[in-house]
Amino acid sequence: DAKTTQPPSMDCAEGRAANLPCNHSTISGNEYVYWYRQIHSQGPQYIIHGLKNNETNEMASLIITEDRKSSTLILPHATLRDTAVYYCIVRAQTGANNLFFGTGTRLTVIP
Amino acid sequence: DVKVTQSSRYLVKRTGEKVFLECVQDMDHENMFWYRQDPGLGLRLIYFSYDVKMKEKGDIPEGYSVSREKKERFSLILESASTNQTSMYLCASTEANYGYTFGSGTRLTVV
Repeated sequence: DAKTTQPPSMDCAEGRAANLPCNHSTISGNEYVYWYRQIHSQGPQYIIHGLKNNETNEMASLIITEDRKSSTLILPHATLRDTAVYYCIVRAQTGANNLFFGTGTRLTVIP
Repeated sequence: DVKVTQSSRYLVKRTGEKVFLECVQDMDHENMFWYRQDPGLGLRLIYFSYDVKMKEKGDIPEGYSVSREKKERFSLILESASTNQTSMYLCASTEANYGYTFGSGTRLTVV
């Protein structure tokens, strides 16, 4: 699975959009981009995933660049409860069923 | 909602004890995983299972074994607990490689 690079930490004002970047320059054609988050002392929570088109659900939007070498997770109106570590993961949907979690981005939403 | 339930949130065991961590999922998922999470190291895969009675080693299987006698239950066994197995243990399940659902985690301390 391709490796990802994320900034270690970010701050965001409450009510503003949080834009979390992820670089995955070695991504393969059959690899999807997944985002998870982990709130302190809880298990990771699935947020969204995509292949090459932008995706949106009730939690977030995922923007993937045309060359697929990077992506951005957008939380449109961040709340204090969105404070968490966010993980960007790329993996194929076939083959070994494993997720490689890096160290993620610690997002702090500030009142 | 898919639920993945881990039997204990906190556990304290003595060195040399045999430890069982239980995980149950209620959505008939085929794939189940055990991870451990340590500060600065992210999540590391211990074992996974893609079917009843099937198991595959992950990245750090040493000192652990698993059991999958029923589809809904995946047990992690520490044959002889050691202090370096003090960690947060996370169980997850998934179907068809979509979003993984994690349990709340078991924080194990070996003294």
